Formats: sequence, C-alpha cells, structure tokens
Amino acid sequence: GENVGLHLPTLSVQEGDNSIINCAYSNSASDYFIWYKQESGKGPQFIIDIRSNMDKRQGQRVTVLLNKTVKHLSLQIAATQPGDSAVYFCAEASWYNNNDMRFGAGTRLTVKP
Amino acid sequence: KAGVTQTPRYLIKTRGQQVTLSCSPISGHRSVSWYQQTPGQGLQFLFEYFSETQRNKGNFPGRFSGRQFSNSRSEMNVSTLELGDSALYLCASSLATGWESEAFFGQGTRLTVV
Repeated sequence: GENVGLHLPTLSVQEGDNSIINCAYSNSASDYFIWYKQESGKGPQFIIDIRSNMDKRQGQRVTVLLNKTVKHLSLQIAATQPGDSAVYFCAEASWYNNNDMRFGAGTRLTVKP
Repeated sequence: KAGVTQTPRYLIKTRGQQVTLSCSPISGHRSVSWYQQTPGQGLQFLFEYFSETQRNKGNFPGRFSGRQFSNSRSEMNVSTLELGDSALYLCASSLATGWESEAFFGQGTRLTVV
C-alpha cells in the first residue's frame, strides 16, 4: 500500500551547520503534512506543518518545503544545535483517506559539537 | 499547565492477557488520539476520540479498543495480547478534532508482552 518514507535513516552534522531532512510520500491525495521531533524517552513533539496549497512554510530556525510534483517533503534546520539531536518524522494526512495519518520511519539527526 | 499524562510508564504482560492503558489529556483538550510505535513499523495511528466518540480509526484488529470519558480522559484496551503487541503506546491530546489541531504527546507506555 502507499506509505510515507524517508530517504536517509541517519544524519550527522556539525554544530552551526544547516540540516536538511527529506521525506518521500506516495499518496497524491495527502493534503496536510507535519514534521515531528522525538527525543530519547519522550513522545513526538510538533515542529511545523504545511498544507498542500503551500510550497514553503517557515518557523523559528525551521523551514518545510513541499514539492507536490515529485511528492517530496523536506525539513531544513538552520544553525543546528546539540539540542536538535533527535529522531525526526514526517507525517501525512488525507481527509479523503478516512482521516488516517501515516508516519515516516524517522531520521536520526546527530549534531556534533 | 500539566502535559499529557500516561500511566503506567512500563508494563509487562503475558501472551493471552489483556491490558488497559490510561491517558489524561491537557486540561481543556477534548480530542485524544492513540498511536503504536515499534522499531519495525514506526509510528502508527490507532484511533481518535472526541467528546466520548470514536472519530477516526487506523488499521488495527478489533483486539485494540478504546474509550473516552466525560472528563476527556481516555483508556486503551488490548485483549488477547500477542508478542507483536510489544511497543510504545503513545497518547496525544488536542483542543479539537482534525489533524490541523496541534497534538501534544505524552511520554508513552512501554508494553512488553512475554
């Protein structure tokens, strides 16, 4: 069946560099996407979301880009800090598909001091 | 304000038994969703409750059920436990139903089935 997946399972960056985490989705009917951050021993934490009628959305140090043509989602973290080390999930939701939300496998981001 | 509280934090059960997990949402939140997280399958949506009614349901067998009380607290029940039910069960609360109402997650209940 259709699913949400991530290009890279792990990502290691130097403190202060920018990070880019990618996500591919296959359900063209998805109209809402979210990025979550999950630190060890904690539940996921909302970072930023984007609707399908947008290509880009910015938050504090984070930017989400949506390319509907190739069904690709990315999360950019500016000036990555050690506190950004965590697993990042993308999620997609579609009102057409029984409101089911599906999550990617996750990418582990490690920030080196 | 207090966050989402899940109890217990850890649980060990034997195959065939049943288990009930509890979730207390953030005060004022009326929607509670449940998720299963495993290394193999990742995070999967179980169901969502709003105003004591199940609004959405994921693709899980009928052994997985839930309910919500008038104070918005929710319980999740798994009957006839299988080894594959070992997972971290997460609860999230939000003000309203629908994916665009920001969800706040609890720390989860780690269930081990032996």
